[in-house]
Amino acid sequence: SYELTQPPSVSVSPGQTARITCSGDALPKQYAYWYQQKPAQAPVLVIYKDTERPSGIPDRFSGSTSGTAVTLIITGVQAEDEADYFCQSADTSGTYRRLFGGGTKLTVL
Amino acid sequence: QVQLQQWGAGLVKPSETLSLTCAVYGGSLSNYYWSWIRRPPGKGLEWLGDINYTGATNDNPSLKSRVTISLDTSKNQFSLRLSSVTAADTAVYYCARGRGDTGMDVWGPGTTVTVSS
Repeated sequence: SYELTQPPSVSVSPGQTARITCSGDALPKQYAYWYQQKPAQAPVLVIYKDTERPSGIPDRFSGSTSGTAVTLIITGVQAEDEADYFCQSADTSGTYRRLFGGGTKLTVL
Repeated sequence: QVQLQQWGAGLVKPSETLSLTCAVYGGSLSNYYWSWIRRPPGKGLEWLGDINYTGATNDNPSLKSRVTISLDTSKNQFSLRLSSVTAADTAVYYCARGRGDTGMDVWGPGTTVTVSS
């Protein structure tokens, strides 16, 4: 069945740029969303419609898309950005369902 | 500022039904969809299903029809029932609000549910 694939982990030093990819065959046809989740907290939407940033989200968070992959980009990473990040999209090939990628643990060294 | 408050039993016995409710404060149920998502220990997020303001539902086929989501417009609440639970259903359960193409922008704080005898 259709899946969204993310790397399990990404590590960067403070001030560097982190890129987290999410791959899925239907991503050219369905929008992707990105959520940040810190320990013992609820997820927070950081990117919607592939590249849009909700109000209140720092502008160091951005999104890009290319073919069957979308990428969350965090420019000038800060210690507080250490978290799990999940992409999310939709599968309309059969019964409609939303789905999440497996998640990526971002470690700030 | 819309807020979601959720509650339900934190301990459920195997084979029984898990029940959770999410109340919407500071906003209306109209023009949104209302989702349930969970995160088992050591694993990622899993979408369980959602309901829109007309009462139309979608649910995750992998849960084999164990999910029921309902809406109570008089109380501005929506609920989740998950039947025939096993230890694999142990997780933190979240309710969330979504709209069209703008994603799930408001989340409840989460409820920890443990399935154990």
